[in-house]
Amino acid sequence: SQELEQSPQSLIVQEGKNLTINCTSSKTLYGLYWYKQKYGEGLIFLMMLQKGGEEKSHEKITAKLDEKKQQSSLHITASQPSHAGIYLCGAGGGSGGYQKVTFGTGTKLQVIP
Amino acid sequence: GAGVSQSPSNKVTEKGKDVELRCDPISGHTALYWYRQSLGQGLEFLIYFQGNSAPDKSGLPSDRFSAERTGGSVSTLTIQRTQQEDSAVYLCASSLGPYYRLRGGNYGYTFGSGTRLTVV
Repeated sequence: SQELEQSPQSLIVQEGKNLTINCTSSKTLYGLYWYKQKYGEGLIFLMMLQKGGEEKSHEKITAKLDEKKQQSSLHITASQPSHAGIYLCGAGGGSGGYQKVTFGTGTKLQVIP
Repeated sequence: GAGVSQSPSNKVTEKGKDVELRCDPISGHTALYWYRQSLGQGLEFLIYFQGNSAPDKSGLPSDRFSAERTGGSVSTLTIQRTQQEDSAVYLCASSLGPYYRLRGGNYGYTFGSGTRLTVV
């Protein structure tokens, strides 16, 4: 089965600082999701990456999938308190087939004003 | 509806009681998924529905857990004779289905806010 390891497990940064969260897979990634979760809320979809070397950005968050499709990084530029939460990477089942997603254990981000 | 709706949002139950958790997916989403998030652990897949059938139940942890879906819409996850280790947040997600791909490859995979179950 596919396993995803996220690092770091938790992160505390000063507002305005940049940060990176990594997600490493034990197998080739055919679809890599990034989600954000706040306490008491569901998962908010951020981005999905499929192609090796692909990079996507949304506001101040950029995610990239490496060429070998086994590692993804999520980078936040000029962090704000609104970025605080738990970031989860998830691996999809690939093209075709249903999208059962295997999740990493998450990275808890705190942003200090 | 506009999003995936789950109820109740919080449930406290006594050990040994049965509980039912409800998920109302986005209208038109044929695929529905249940996940469990235990304290300190990641999200754990439980079961997947396509329409009213469940092709993959591999994640259900024991025969105390069951789920059904009716009318291709609402799903109910039932836990019988609850145990303390069942305490977790139960999340439901829905999507357009396995063979439908939105631009950007999102598959429209959307989560509800979850039901926090506490067994005392």
